[in-house]
Order: sequence, then structure tokens, then C-alpha cells
Amino acid sequence: DGGITQSPKYLFRKEGQNVTLSCEQNLNHDAMYWYRQDPGQGLRLIYYSQIVNDFQKGDIAEGYSVSREKKESFPLTVTSAQKNPTAFYLCASSSEGSYTEAFFGQGTRLTVV
Amino acid sequence: KQEVTQIPAALSVPEGENLVLNCSFTDSAIYNLQWFRQDPGKGLTSLLLIQSSQREQTSGRLNASLDKSSGRSTLYIAASQPGDSATYLCAVDYGQNFVFGPGTRLSVLP
Repeated sequence: DGGITQSPKYLFRKEGQNVTLSCEQNLNHDAMYWYRQDPGQGLRLIYYSQIVNDFQKGDIAEGYSVSREKKESFPLTVTSAQKNPTAFYLCASSSEGSYTEAFFGQGTRLTVV
Repeated sequence: KQEVTQIPAALSVPEGENLVLNCSFTDSAIYNLQWFRQDPGKGLTSLLLIQSSQREQTSGRLNASLDKSSGRSTLYIAASQPGDSATYLCAVDYGQNFVFGPGTRLSVLP
């Protein structure tokens, strides 16, 4: 089955900890994205990557870091510098070209305890 | 700045009604526009993708239109069902990334 897998589904973080959210896709897509969703708000772009070993900051990159060592994987680290990390995190991927339909994972809900 | 808005923010209709959800975008230099459905606590499911050169796309009871020059897209849902209850989001592809609207929360009452 082709698709995007995010893990874990639920994640709890203590104050001052770094945590890493996993995103894996087997769609052979070049582009991958991380979004944050807060209650009652739209999705906001954290980071995106158009190709392996390259990524760009989105609108709210502060306190987050990413890597893109493999085409299939785009992990997101929420660092201790992110002051309000409690949110729903969504990973997406898309192919290049004019017909760039985006596909999403099922999300990770991060809660600070 | 590239912004996407959606009207209404919430909508409640009785089962069987036809309804229209609206999406507006400020920058008309789009690649594509995509409509998604999101159930509570879940990821986004793609419903329809309209390329910038197209005027509309249909899938079952769903029809999406695109008017690039006026910066608008509509999602038409025919004969609504309780299972259609969800949040509907539109996303505009500007080539580098997708810009999302805040969504319309739809409730279809049995």
C-alpha cells in the first residue's frame, strides 16, 4: 500500500526535551512538508524539502529542525527552543511537475506535560 | 502575501441538501488548487485537485470549480449525507509549497 506514515500517533514531551516525529513515504515523491495545526486554525508550514539533502524554512520554523538524508524520510525535531509545541503535526508529500497532488499522513499529536 | 480564506467557517444543514463551500485566494499565480477533508483528530484526505488550466473537477457527488482571475474556488456537495460531516480545507499550490485556508466545519444532520 502506497502512502505516508507518521509515528507516533501521540507523543508527550517534558519541558526542556527534544522530541523527533517520524514521517516516511513510499510514493517516490520528491517533495515533503511539515505543517502544524492548532485548534480553529489552518495549517501552517514549518519546513519543506524539494529534494534529498536540501530543505527550506516555512512560516514558523523557529524551534524546529529537520533532515532529509533519504528520499523516503523527513523527520521533524521539536527542540526545547519551541516555547509552545503542543499541537497536531501533519506531514505531506507531493510529486514534482504541474500535477502536484499532495498526500498527507494521519498526524502526530504532541502534548507538553 | 499569499492568503487563503474560506467562507463560511461553519455550516449546519439537514441531510439531503445541496451545499456550496467557498475558498478565496489573494495571489492568482497558482499552480493547482486542492480540496481536502479532515475528520476530527485525523490527517487530510484529498478530495479533488484542479490544475490552474482547468475550470472544474468532479468526483461522485462532489464538484469543484476554479476561477483563477477572480481568485475563487467553490466545492459543491450534492445530496449531503451525515457521513459528509467533517472539516473541508482548500489548499493553493504556489509551486514551492501549499497555502491552506482555515477550513469550513460542516455538520449534516440526519
